[in-house]
Amino acid sequence: TQTVSQSDAHVTVFEGDSVELRCNYSYGGSIYLSWYIQHHGRGLQFLLKYYSGNPVVQGVNGFEAEFSKSDSSFHLRKASVHWSDSAVYFCVLRNYNQGKLIFGQGTKLSIKP
Amino acid sequence: EAAVTQSPRNKVTVTGGNVTLSCRQTNSHNYMYWYRQDTGHGLRLIHYSYGAGNLQIGDVPDGYKATRTTQEDFFLLLELASPSQTSLYFCASSDAWGAGYAEQFFGPGTRLTVL
Repeated sequence: TQTVSQSDAHVTVFEGDSVELRCNYSYGGSIYLSWYIQHHGRGLQFLLKYYSGNPVVQGVNGFEAEFSKSDSSFHLRKASVHWSDSAVYFCVLRNYNQGKLIFGQGTKLSIKP
Repeated sequence: EAAVTQSPRNKVTVTGGNVTLSCRQTNSHNYMYWYRQDTGHGLRLIHYSYGAGNLQIGDVPDGYKATRTTQEDFFLLLELASPSQTSLYFCASSDAWGAGYAEQFFGPGTRLTVL
């Protein structure tokens, strides 16, 4: 069984703060892990992915994520958030041999001015 | 850039009503998908297709039909709508399924309310 868990439904930080959005997964085989962002009223947009190699992957707009096999995690981080980062973030798992995406529940990131 | 459009953007119907949601992609992608998004569940796959005339069952197919008429067009049909189908529906496309990561491109969504 493949599962993705995002433990925080809602995270609120001040503009300029750092943030970490948590993601844990369950699957024993080869997988892709990715993050998608959904701005209010919009469709989801791809942010970054990990399959192998360097466990820290860079995405657009200063986002990065770190894969940990021992913790079964793929947390998303940003050093200094901007108000435009307010959105819902989805952690997504994909079996290497299958195209179907398994979504986490999503974490809503709110930025205070 | 990839483009996926959906219509209508909002739809209200009554229980037992007949609804068709439309999706068009201009990316020349082979794969298209229908998802529903509900609070606490993330996105769940309803149906998907890898080409005109093809249909594959997703994880939550009950009460839904779909049809892929062309490479560009994918339709989701609710023939006897029920209140449990009130949701936000997304269409997406991608150019691969198997080995090798294929980013999915999403449409803006259709909000469906079944009274």
